Amino acid sequence: GNSVTQMEGPVTLSEEAFLTINCTYTATGYPSLFWYVQYPGEGLQLLLKATKADDKGSNKGFEATYRKETTSFHLEKGSVQVSDSAVYFCALRGRGAGKSTFGDGTTLTVKP
Amino acid sequence: DAGVIQSPRHEVTEMGQEVTLRCKLISGHNSLFWYRQTMMRGLELLIYFNNNVPIDDSGMPEDRFSAKMPNASFSTLKIQPSEPRDSAVYFCASSFATGERNSPLHFGNGTRLTVT
Repeated sequence: GNSVTQMEGPVTLSEEAFLTINCTYTATGYPSLFWYVQYPGEGLQLLLKATKADDKGSNKGFEATYRKETTSFHLEKGSVQVSDSAVYFCALRGRGAGKSTFGDGTTLTVKP
Repeated sequence: DAGVIQSPRHEVTEMGQEVTLRCKLISGHNSLFWYRQTMMRGLELLIYFNNNVPIDDSGMPEDRFSAKMPNASFSTLKIQPSEPRDSAVYFCASSFATGERNSPLHFGNGTRLTVT
């Protein structure tokens, strides 16, 4: 079956630091890959996605590249802000699978 | 677009009572997912529907839980009778089923359920 493994948290950074949250996956076929973000008291919301190998998803300064050879989709941001403090979920959705497979989430705290 | 709308936002009830959670899908979406989130177990898929038909209910904890889609834009999740261990945040999410591989999920803001 499909699975997603995320870097364990929590992650604490200072403002303007570089962020990497690792995500690797196992899936049959060619899934689409997603990063979702959850702010306190809210539901998950799509941050970015990539639908095929070598695609780069980007949004709000965050980027992730679909690496089929390493089955990875690591999230990066060059300079984090306090407002980026949230829980980040990596997920995949395969053809015909219907449901998505989520990682366990990584809590990011950015300190001023 | 108003997004996925869940009600109520908070529900506090006593053990043994019936609880009904409600969800309105985004217009045009035809897949509906119910999730539960707790600190201990994280995000769990309970059940999902395509075109109003339940496809996979293997995550429903037990017979006390039931979910319905009486029409294409609305769903309910019912717990009867409720127990303290059901305390969690319940999310619904909707998406397109057609071309589903590329379609992200759109989540509501959740219902925080507390069973005392």
